[in-house]
Amino acid sequence: KQEVTQIPAALSVPEGENLVLNCSFTDSAIYNLQWFRQDPGKGLTSLLLIQSSQREQTSGRLNASLDKSSGRSTLYIAASQPGDSATYLCASTQGAQKLVFGQGTRLTINP
Amino acid sequence: DGGITQSPKYLFRKEGQNVTLSCEQNLNHDAMYWYRQDPGQGLRLIYYSQIVNDFQKGDIAEGYSVSREKKESFPLTVTSAQKNPTAFYLCASSPSMSSGNTIYFGEGSWLTVV
Repeated sequence: KQEVTQIPAALSVPEGENLVLNCSFTDSAIYNLQWFRQDPGKGLTSLLLIQSSQREQTSGRLNASLDKSSGRSTLYIAASQPGDSATYLCASTQGAQKLVFGQGTRLTINP
Repeated sequence: DGGITQSPKYLFRKEGQNVTLSCEQNLNHDAMYWYRQDPGQGLRLIYYSQIVNDFQKGDIAEGYSVSREKKESFPLTVTSAQKNPTAFYLCASSPSMSSGNTIYFGEGSWLTVV
């Protein structure tokens, strides 16, 4: 059974720093890996989707990488801003769009 | 605007009562899903539906029921058999259950048992 882990559970950094969020998974037989953002008390917004055949995806200041052999994905945020404060969740897809989520990393960007 | 609408946003349930959470989408998506989120936890799949009049159990279906009579609607009933229903419930949809599709989420419904 797939297990997805995100460490740390919480992270606080000063504004302007570049940062990396980590996601690990136990079963490398995934179709894709997605990163989501969740604001307090809200639903999830999809940020990036990496297909299993891809190594990375970029959107603006965000870059997500995927290394299936090591069971790891990272989300890189460049030049962080207070508006980036949120919980970031990763999820792997084993098949038929059945997502397995990590517990999330709560990110705080301090002005 | 296209999107997913969940209602109510907040719901209080007495012990022994059934409650139904509404989920409506106008994205013309075939697939719809219900997830449960507990504080500090990731999401767990309750039920999903690939097409109208069809639905499947997810990882934690016990104590829940769903219907999919219309493409745009996928209501979730939390029954009295659900022992710990207090949680944040999220509805989602995608064009199909193909693994390459982005999944879209509603704003969620908070259910509290009093």
